[in-house]
Amino acid sequence: QVQLVQSGAEVKKPGASVKVSCKASGYTFTAHGISWVRQSPRQGLEWMGWISTYSGDTNYAQKFQGRVTMTTDTSTSTAYMELRSLRSDDTAVYYCARDLDGSGVFHYWGQGALVTVSS
Amino acid sequence: SSELTQDPAVSVALGQTVRITCQGDSLRRYYASWYQQKPGQAPVLVFSGKNNRPSGIPDRFSGSSSGSTASLTITGAQAEDEADYYCSSRDSSGTDVVFGGGTKLTVL
Repeated sequence: QVQLVQSGAEVKKPGASVKVSCKASGYTFTAHGISWVRQSPRQGLEWMGWISTYSGDTNYAQKFQGRVTMTTDTSTSTAYMELRSLRSDDTAVYYCARDLDGSGVFHYWGQGALVTVSS
Repeated sequence: SSELTQDPAVSVALGQTVRITCQGDSLRRYYASWYQQKPGQAPVLVFSGKNNRPSGIPDRFSGSSSGSTASLTITGAQAEDEADYYCSSRDSSGTDVVFGGGTKLTVL
């Protein structure tokens, strides 16, 4: 069965960076892209961007341009999302989701990773 | 601020039909997707596109669209349907994905 297993919770200080991983199993990793979505009580669900696991092409949400980098390691079927220059309002649960072609239809989701930004 | 607008809360009597709506200009051009989220869990896709229900989702969930409004209808709501429901679609420019603010469904 399709599974997306994410790394654990992180606590970071303002200005730091965080890198969240998402290990896929149960399907051909390079056949489906990965989107990253975050959720906070204040902002609700926010799409951060998408990466093609086949080509490495990315499409970042305008809000996160310049601050986010999405990568993949096809040898381990793992996707990564790095967010830099963290602020307190980046505190959220970060999800990866399988997204075939960047169309924004998320058939499978990871369990989420809580990132807390606090001094 | 979200480009998709949802009612914050809706209630339905057990076994009755409820419609959850999502409004936005981009829905005139793009289909919506619908997600169900229960407390402490990741969202689950329940309907997408013109007529796509993922395997394992009960057929009491259906979707429709008219103009700038997309709707998710639950025909014969069950207690286990009590959850938050989110719509998503492309934004007006077609470059980003946006979500509605969510609708909390209470089954009475």
